Order: sequence, then structure tokens, then C-alpha cells
Amino acid sequence: QVQLQESGPGLVKPSETLSLTCTVSGGSISGYYWTWIRQPPGKGLEWIGYFYYIGSTNYNPSLRSRVTISVDTSKNQVSLRLNSVTAADTAVYYCARGPSSSGWADFWGQGTLVTVSS
Amino acid sequence: QSVLTQPPSVSGAPGQRVTISCTGGSSNIGAGYNVHWYQQLPGTPPKLVIYNSNSRPSGVPDRFSASKSGTSASLAITGLQAEDEADYYCQSYDTSLSGYVVFGGGTKLTVL
Repeated sequence: QVQLQESGPGLVKPSETLSLTCTVSGGSISGYYWTWIRQPPGKGLEWIGYFYYIGSTNYNPSLRSRVTISVDTSKNQVSLRLNSVTAADTAVYYCARGPSSSGWADFWGQGTLVTVSS
Repeated sequence: QSVLTQPPSVSGAPGQRVTISCTGGSSNIGAGYNVHWYQQLPGTPPKLVIYNSNSRPSGVPDRFSASKSGTSASLAITGLQAEDEADYYCQSYDTSLSGYVVFGGGTKLTVL
């Protein structure tokens, strides 16, 4: 069974960079779209973007200038970097595995809350 | 404002059938892109219940079904159970702005 586990700082200061890692176990990185999705407290889901295992990426236009998603196949890890954060970036961040470029995700991590505050 | 529009809430009694709508436009559902549906219980990550508009992942009961027509899609749940009370989100792909994945705003299903 594939398992995904997000990790990273729970508190980030405004204007700094949010960095999260998703460790994938029980399955291969190859063949999938590795996706980050976030959910502000009490609100709906927002797609951040994905990294396809061969190296292509697709990002939410509203975040494109600030976000980078990468994959380290040797470590079976997916990373998210979001620059110049503000309080509006406070959310639970989920890592997910997608079999298709259309965006659906069949396995999700438990999510990690990141709060942006000084 | 979400690209896909869902009603904020729906409700139904145990045993009843409820539907949740997801309305898009010509750049997403209307362009032929599939719709996917997730169930999210409080404090847990979303769970895929329908993918590619009408396919159920293994383990999802056949009480869950979905359809798509024109620029809209809908999720139907029959034989409503208390455990179905959750937030439901639709998802699709939008071709605007170089193409990206979009979610609906979510619908809270209450089992009366």
C-alpha cells in the first residue's frame, strides 16, 4: 500500500520560503503526477501543482511565480517550495499521487499545517 | 471564487438519494474534461470516490455514482447513511491560462 508523509516546519515567517517534503513509501515515484494541494483552515481545496516523474511541471496560475515542485527519485521524495509567503498561505498542505494529468489523486498524505506568522 | 460551482450544502434523511451538482464552463467540463469527486471527513485528507466522471475506485460502495453532461456534472449517493456526512469536492481540468487543475468550492452533506 502506498503511503505519503508530509514533513516540514509548521511555522514560517512572512516573506520567507515555505519548504515541505513528502516521503513516498510502498510504491515507486515513476509513472505518476506528484501533486501538492492545500486547504486553508475552514475553507476548500486549492490545487498548487504537480511534477510528472519525467520532469515536466504544471502549476496553479495564481501561484506560478512563487512555487516550485521537484522530485528526488533516489530518496522517493517530493518537495514543495513556496516563496514570499503571507498569512494567506496559511493552510494544511497535502501531498498526493496522481495517475493522470487531469489531476485526480488516488493516494493522499495526512497533511501538514503550515502557519505563516511573525 | 471557484472555477467549478457547487452548492454550499445539501441534506437528506437516511436511506434517501441525494445529488450534488458541479457547474463549470466551456473551458473545463464543457470542453470534455473528466470530473472527479472526493469525500472529506472532518480532520482527514480527501478520499477519491469517483474518477474519470463515472468510475469508482476499489472499495467505494456502488451507492456512489456520477454523471456528466454539457458543462455540468453531478454526484449521486443512494441509500444515504450517517457515515456519508462529509464535505464533497468536484475536480476537473481547465484549459485557460495554459491549463491547470481546478476544484469546486465544496458541498457539505448533512444526513438528517
